[in-house]
Amino acid sequence: EAQVTQNPRYLITVTGKKLTVTCSQNMNHEYMSWYRQDPGLGLRQIYYSMNVEVTDKGDVPEGYKVSRKEKRNFPLILESPSPNQTSLYFCASADSTSTDTQYFGPGTRLTVL
Amino acid sequence: AQSVTQPDIHITVSEGASLELRCNYSYGATPYLFWYVQSPGQGLQLLLKYFSGDTLVQGIKGFEAEFKRSQSSFNLRKPSVHWSDAAEYFCAGVTGGGNKLTFGTGTQLKVEL
Repeated sequence: EAQVTQNPRYLITVTGKKLTVTCSQNMNHEYMSWYRQDPGLGLRQIYYSMNVEVTDKGDVPEGYKVSRKEKRNFPLILESPSPNQTSLYFCASADSTSTDTQYFGPGTRLTVL
Repeated sequence: AQSVTQPDIHITVSEGASLELRCNYSYGATPYLFWYVQSPGQGLQLLLKYFSGDTLVQGIKGFEAEFKRSQSSFNLRKPSVHWSDAAEYFCAGVTGGGNKLTFGTGTQLKVEL
């Protein structure tokens, strides 16, 4: 089954404790992206990657890092989480020929205390 | 700046009634437009998309949307709502060939039985 998976689905952590949210897709997509969803703000793009070893900032990259060492994986790293990063995070992927049509993972709900 | 606006934060309809969710866009050129649905605790599912051509597009689950250039709108419609349609709906846009989806802030749909 074609899908985008994220782990963990739920995470509660404390300020300053580094964490990684994994994202994996099995559709051989070149394009992958991370979004955060906050009430009243919709989804905002954090980072995206057009291919392996190619990453670019989205609208709200501050406080986040990403890496793209393999085509299928695109982890989101919070080196020093803060409470304002409490949010619902979505990973998405797309074929490079149609990056406007993205497939979304189930989401990761992160709470930073 | 490119933007997508959903004027209604919440909408309540009775089961069996018709539905229209509003979406307005602001782009320099005609964008590609999308409607996504997010059921509680789920990721985003693509309902339909408009790239060009016929301005009335059909999607899954009985939804349709009409692109109106003169009104810069892409409203989502359904003739008869089912209780299972209760969810949050997001309109999104991207410039042709682009890779950065811009989302509206979402409309929460409640269906009364």
